[in-house]
Amino acid sequence: QKEVEQNSGPLSVPEGAIASLNCTYSDRVSQSFFWYRQYSGKSPELIMSIYSNGDKEDGRFTAQLNKASQYVSLLIRDSQPSDSATYLCAVIGGADGLTFGKGTHLIIQP
Amino acid sequence: SAVISQKPSRDICQRGTSLTIQCQVDSQVTMMFWYRQQPGQSLTLIATANQGSEATYESGFVIDKFPISRPNLTFSTLTVSNMSPEDSSIYLCSGRGVYTGELFFGEGSRLTVL
Repeated sequence: QKEVEQNSGPLSVPEGAIASLNCTYSDRVSQSFFWYRQYSGKSPELIMSIYSNGDKEDGRFTAQLNKASQYVSLLIRDSQPSDSATYLCAVIGGADGLTFGKGTHLIIQP
Repeated sequence: SAVISQKPSRDICQRGTSLTIQCQVDSQVTMMFWYRQQPGQSLTLIATANQGSEATYESGFVIDKFPISRPNLTFSTLTVSNMSPEDSSIYLCSGRGVYTGELFFGEGSRLTVL
């Protein structure tokens, strides 16, 4: 049974600071990792994908993957109030659909 | 990204009835999945919708309760049968992109069972 663990939060970060979201996963064969953002009452929106060890940057977002530690993180620089949402970590290993963590509720304080 | 359309967007149903949710995707999608998101919870995979054959269900979900069809590459339906209040949830259709493993979601169908 694949498991994806996230701290549910809420994680409160001042506007302009760096928000750091963490995720661990149990299935060592997982090859693909994703971060989704979900606003209340909306469907999840893909914001980052990462497949190789190391960092991947896209604008204010940086995803970090460490397969040896089975750990993936998301950094949000220059946090904005509009970044307040639930962030879902998801992993895939093979042909199955994604397995999601429970999500971290992020609050950016103006 | 793929375009995924779902309907109905929401419905209120009576206990014991059934509701079918439709999902239409564009050609940028290969695999299709159905998820459930209960209030305040994360997403749980119900099944993989297989084109022209029976869906592959996850543990805890059965075909009699959640029959799924996928008659062609771009269309799928999920039926929630013999509904009870515990079935009140958001049901999400999703599709995997052709060139990556990225999963895209429809807007969801919010179901309330009275």
